[in-house]
Amino acid sequence: SQQGEEDPQALSIQEGENATMNCSYKTSINNLQWYRQNSGRGLVHLILIRSNEREKHSGRLRVTLDTSKKSSSLLITASRAADTASYFCATEEKLVFGKGTKLTVNP
Amino acid sequence: GAVVSQHPSRVICKSGTSVKIECRSLDFQATTMFWYRQFPKQSLMLMATSNEGSKATYEQGVEKDKFLINHASLTLSTLTVTSAHPEDSSFYICSARLADSTDTQYFGPGTRLTVL
Repeated sequence: SQQGEEDPQALSIQEGENATMNCSYKTSINNLQWYRQNSGRGLVHLILIRSNEREKHSGRLRVTLDTSKKSSSLLITASRAADTASYFCATEEKLVFGKGTKLTVNP
Repeated sequence: GAVVSQHPSRVICKSGTSVKIECRSLDFQATTMFWYRQFPKQSLMLMATSNEGSKATYEQGVEKDKFLINHASLTLSTLTVTSAHPEDSSFYICSARLADSTDTQYFGPGTRLTVL
């Protein structure tokens, strides 16, 4: 069954703006991971956050995790056209994916 | 970083034929590899988990006799779609997990299968 659900399904912003995507999940987790997928390509691992962590940074990425609300958010700061992709959250080692957020960054 | 390759990247075949897709971890050993299928504008759906030297574990609803998985070495897993039909047309993606890790999976670039 599908575990992660991303929100919004689509997001269009201007270059330089920040993009925030949310993910909700259903059951208890040990970790949550965010991935990026460019059109017709494989997935690129972005960041992993463990259940005992509340926030994690990696470059222009900031991920938060709220286990009480069973939700996570991915913030991309100072977005670039190259950030245009679909973003997925996934939980646990078998990685059950949501449908993703399609981000478009307009130059 | 860990690199996973897939071959072929695209394949077109006639209905009824079998197609083999290879997944290789290029610079690391992967005791576990995963096979996913993705339909247009949909999420990835896990098909099966492949452990080196043992039988694959298939997800519910995935026919093990139709999607044959072999993981004969720590760097190679193969998925064979047998007697392919047009409804098998999809994007197949593999991933590999480091032998000493239970977390991050590294994904291949995917294989686009079109069955005519």
